[in-house]
Amino acid sequence: AQSVTQPDIHITVSEGASLELRCNYSYGATPYLFWYVQSPGQGLQLLLKYFSGDTLVQGIKGFEAEFKRSQSSFNLRKPSVHWSDAAEYFCAVGAGDYGGSQGNLIFGKGTKLSVKP
Amino acid sequence: DTAVSQTPKYLVTQMGNDKSIKCEQNLGHDTMYWYKQDSKKFLKIMFSYNNKELIINETVPNRFSPKSPDKAHLNLHINSLELGDSAVYFCASSQDRAIPGELFFGEGSRLTVL
Repeated sequence: AQSVTQPDIHITVSEGASLELRCNYSYGATPYLFWYVQSPGQGLQLLLKYFSGDTLVQGIKGFEAEFKRSQSSFNLRKPSVHWSDAAEYFCAVGAGDYGGSQGNLIFGKGTKLSVKP
Repeated sequence: DTAVSQTPKYLVTQMGNDKSIKCEQNLGHDTMYWYKQDSKKFLKIMFSYNNKELIINETVPNRFSPKSPDKAHLNLHINSLELGDSAVYFCASSQDRAIPGELFFGEGSRLTVL
């Protein structure tokens, strides 16, 4: 069965420092992988996605992620964190095609990012 | 204009009551979803509708009944509410077959059952 693991529940970084959020997945085939961000009291917003091709994908807000098949990982990175990046970050894997609907995502439990001034 | 809107945003009710949450999307998407986020922030899909037709129905108690009057609306009705139903319920939509997994979420409806 598909699953997503985010090993870090809570990470605190200083503003301007680099960031890496870890994500490991379990999936039989080539996965569809996603990172979503949830600001307090808000819904989730898609940061970036990987389907195939270049294993380094760029997203919005200066984020990028690298797919590493050998490690079953899809870690999220940002070179310089801003205070507005404080939020909850969710990694997700696409759970396949349900008669055409491809929005069945398996989410990790999230990593809360705090940013110190 | 809000792309995916849910009402109400907050709902506090007693055990045993019946309540509904409404969702509307103005993105012209074909598919809509209900996700449940529990107190530990774990998100899990409940239902998916494609063009008013039920596509995904995960292992959700039959006290939960989705209704899609048209492809822009997906409502969630919950009968005989239980304490464990307390959660944040997110509606989402996607343009099916275009970009798999690109969901647009509403802001959530926080349900508290007392």
